[in-house]
Amino acid sequence: KNEVEQSPQNLTAQEGEFITINCSYSVGISALHWLQQHPGGGIVSLFMLSSGKKKHGRLIATINIQEKHSSLHITASHPRDSAVYICAVRSLRGGGADGLTFGKGTHLIIQP
Amino acid sequence: EADIYQTPRYLVIGTGKKITLECSQTMGHDKMYWYQQDPGMELHLIHYSYGVNSTEKGDLSSESTVSRIRTEHFPLTLESARPSHTSQYLCASSAGTGVAGELFFGEGSRLTVL
Repeated sequence: KNEVEQSPQNLTAQEGEFITINCSYSVGISALHWLQQHPGGGIVSLFMLSSGKKKHGRLIATINIQEKHSSLHITASHPRDSAVYICAVRSLRGGGADGLTFGKGTHLIIQP
Repeated sequence: EADIYQTPRYLVIGTGKKITLECSQTMGHDKMYWYQQDPGMELHLIHYSYGVNSTEKGDLSSESTVSRIRTEHFPLTLESARPSHTSQYLCASSAGTGVAGELFFGEGSRLTVL
């Protein structure tokens, strides 16, 4: 079982809808990353958080350390938001490359 | 915008060829990583480096090798490519952990071995 589970795996929505992507993890962490991967393959870091909530434009990320859960929200979704969203956690136990473990990603399609 | 670059973006080669995937960053980051990603699957760490002359193997066994002679440069080499090496290879860097742990990724190198 992967230490990082994302849901849903695939999500298709209409432009303007409010989007929520969830990430659950099973280990103690020092930080959680939300990443965005476009069809070309490149990955962009959206958020890095260890507590509370962060907002950037139409994107909001929240984390509940006690429940080992994080959510990524997109308000007023747009077709350009179509991408794969990846959750990654940095484990407290460390290990190779600072103990980073990645989820399989959520494939989001926003239709006009 | 991230200052981390990978070349080539796409490469199609025959079995047995030697290939080198280049990765360079201009941010002065000590930590650099190579990940392998198959379509629809998660990223798997194959190599990482915490600084010059420091390289370690990652969680996923790989026949590739890496070197870190300069801070900004972290190339990955396959001495004899095979079809099983067909995948996307992503390079990343970070300044450290904690608040300095933001990850910066290159655009990826998509390798096809015939």
